[in-house]
Amino acid sequence: DAKTTQPPSMDCAEGRAANLPCNHSTISGNEYVYWYRQIHSQGPQYIIHGLKNNETNEMASLIITEDRKSSTLILPHATLRDTAVYYCIVSAPRSSYTGTASKLTFGTGTRLQVTL
Amino acid sequence: DGGITQSPKYLFRKEGQNVTLSCEQNLNHDAMYWYRQDPGQGLRLIYYSQIVNDFQKGDIAEGYSVSREKKESFPLTVTSAQKNPTAFYLCASTSERNTIYFGEGSWLTVV
Repeated sequence: DAKTTQPPSMDCAEGRAANLPCNHSTISGNEYVYWYRQIHSQGPQYIIHGLKNNETNEMASLIITEDRKSSTLILPHATLRDTAVYYCIVSAPRSSYTGTASKLTFGTGTRLQVTL
Repeated sequence: DGGITQSPKYLFRKEGQNVTLSCEQNLNHDAMYWYRQDPGQGLRLIYYSQIVNDFQKGDIAEGYSVSREKKESFPLTVTSAQKNPTAFYLCASTSERNTIYFGEGSWLTVV
């Protein structure tokens, strides 16, 4: 699995958009970009994932650069409940031929603090 | 509802003892994972299993052991060889599209 690099921390005012960057310069062609977040002492929560096109769901938007070497998670209107550690990981889907599952290595993530 | 169940939520271990953390999933997922998290740190991979009767070491496997006798179960044993076992342990499984489902975690404290 490709390695990811994220800033250790970010601040965002409530109601504003939070833009969390992630670098994954060694990403392979079949690897997806996944975003998860973890609120203290809980299991991480899935947010969104994408391959090369931009994606949007009810929680967030994911912007992937054309060369796929970096991406940005956007929380359009951050609230205090969005304060958490956000993890960006890249991995390939399980191979239906070999049955091989990805190693799924997490980095240290970005601690997002949303303030009033 | 489908999901991952970890037990116990809190566990205390005396030095020199082995303890086993349970992880059960009813999602019919083939791949399962164990992570360790220390306060203020990210998740580090201990072991993962791609299929029944198969598992691989992660980045910090020393002092831990696992088994995968059933698809639904992936227990983690923290052995006495693990010198600093106090941590938060997370079990996970993945769908074929690699969406990760996590359990609620287990806190292990050495007393």
